[in-house]
Amino acid sequence: QSVLTQPPSVSGAPGQRVTISCTGSDSNIGAGFTVHWYQQLPGTAPKLLIYGNSYRPSGVPDRFSGSKSGTSASLAISGLQADDESDYYCQSYDRSLSAYVFGTGTKVTVL
Amino acid sequence: EVQLLESGGGLVQPGGSLRLSCAASGFTFDNYAMTWVRQTPGKGLEWVSVISGSGKSTDYANSVKDRFSISRDNSKNTVYLQMNSLRADDTAVYYCAKRCSSSTCYKAFDYWGQGALVTVSS
Repeated sequence: QSVLTQPPSVSGAPGQRVTISCTGSDSNIGAGFTVHWYQQLPGTAPKLLIYGNSYRPSGVPDRFSGSKSGTSASLAISGLQADDESDYYCQSYDRSLSAYVFGTGTKVTVL
Repeated sequence: EVQLLESGGGLVQPGGSLRLSCAASGFTFDNYAMTWVRQTPGKGLEWVSVISGSGKSTDYANSVKDRFSISRDNSKNTVYLQMNSLRADDTAVYYCAKRCSSSTCYKAFDYWGQGALVTVSS
């Protein structure tokens, strides 16, 4: 019942650039609510990766970047590395639901 | 160093109750809202509830409204999730997370606990 849609999986070779889309609607991303991204390594808790659409917390490599346009947002990973293999989730707020909402999640595979 | 440690998970029968606790350290606890997020096995993340730093304001996902109750004890740096009338579809790993302020990181969930597994089954 996620209101933010992500592709189930993306893959790339080491060193390549991959992007993950997060598609929402006029009641969440399109309403101006900021988008955050989380990385969840296997068997661990989610970790904040990008906040406020495009800002990186301290310690997050600049290989990770975020953007937002209209009702969608994107996470880009450049210079793909083996330890980037993980699940990635976008998150925003939905005014119709009056709730924080997460994306469906995307598994990144490094070939 | 910020640390969040959940406890109280376990096996409970349908219709039963359980209370989760999340002990926080490494930051000024009553300055920040706290939230609970759950993840069903092998599935995605679902926001459950949020409580303000003072404890005066709370909010819930529709799926748990009227069954779950969030509270906090700022003297103990702990946030709680009281879960009543549990159903099989409440089975999940429950994470507590700190919500940062709007001025510093736009209310993102910047620190997470390791999670507590709640299994609802007869």
